[in-house]
Amino acid sequence: DIQMTQSPSSLSASVGDRVIITCRASQGIGSKLGWYRQKPGKAPERLVYAASTLQNGVPPRFSGSGSGAEFTLTISSLQPEDFATYFCLQHYNYPWTFGQGTKVDIK
Amino acid sequence: QVQLVQSGAEVKQPGASVKVSCQAPRSTLISYGFSWVRLAPGQGFEWMGWISAFTGDKNYAQKFQDRIVMTTDRSTSTAYLELKSLRIDDTAMYYCAKITLLRGIDFWGQGTMLTVSP
Repeated sequence: DIQMTQSPSSLSASVGDRVIITCRASQGIGSKLGWYRQKPGKAPERLVYAASTLQNGVPPRFSGSGSGAEFTLTISSLQPEDFATYFCLQHYNYPWTFGQGTKVDIK
Repeated sequence: QVQLVQSGAEVKQPGASVKVSCQAPRSTLISYGFSWVRLAPGQGFEWMGWISAFTGDKNYAQKFQDRIVMTTDRSTSTAYLELKSLRIDDTAMYYCAKITLLRGIDFWGQGTMLTVSP
């Protein structure tokens, strides 16, 4: 199975801060990676697919980059609704596997 | 935006089976693939498998292979996950998700909480 190592597991930040979250795959996965946000008590929502393509309707403060085995999600200016948990998903090989998640809370 | 509506919370005893449903918008199910994903307390997300509503093709995660059945019903635009021989550590939130093999999971259902308790 492909292991997805996500870091950090948690971070504290303020509104307006720039936040960077990383996922590292145990082997190359091309660009078959998505980034998701889950607010408490809600279903996850996709932010980025194909490693760097923004989902329709997602604000441009979110961006994804990377290919192969290292990927980042950047939030350029954190907003109040962004305090949530973020995770990555690889769909290059079965079984699809997830990063362990990054909880972003208010400093 | 695609709305996937899942069935309500379940409480089961160890050894029992559960069947969770996921209703897609009418007349669109046939073009969808579905994955089922679970999130246990204190754990990360775990992919259980996927099914094509169009071809019936399936791929189950090896961990669940002998205990799960994924099906779809075109007449009701519904996907189903059946999990058998339940254990206490199957307690989790179960999500259905619309997928494409090219782009992964794009939309999620609201989740169904399963509690397995003696």
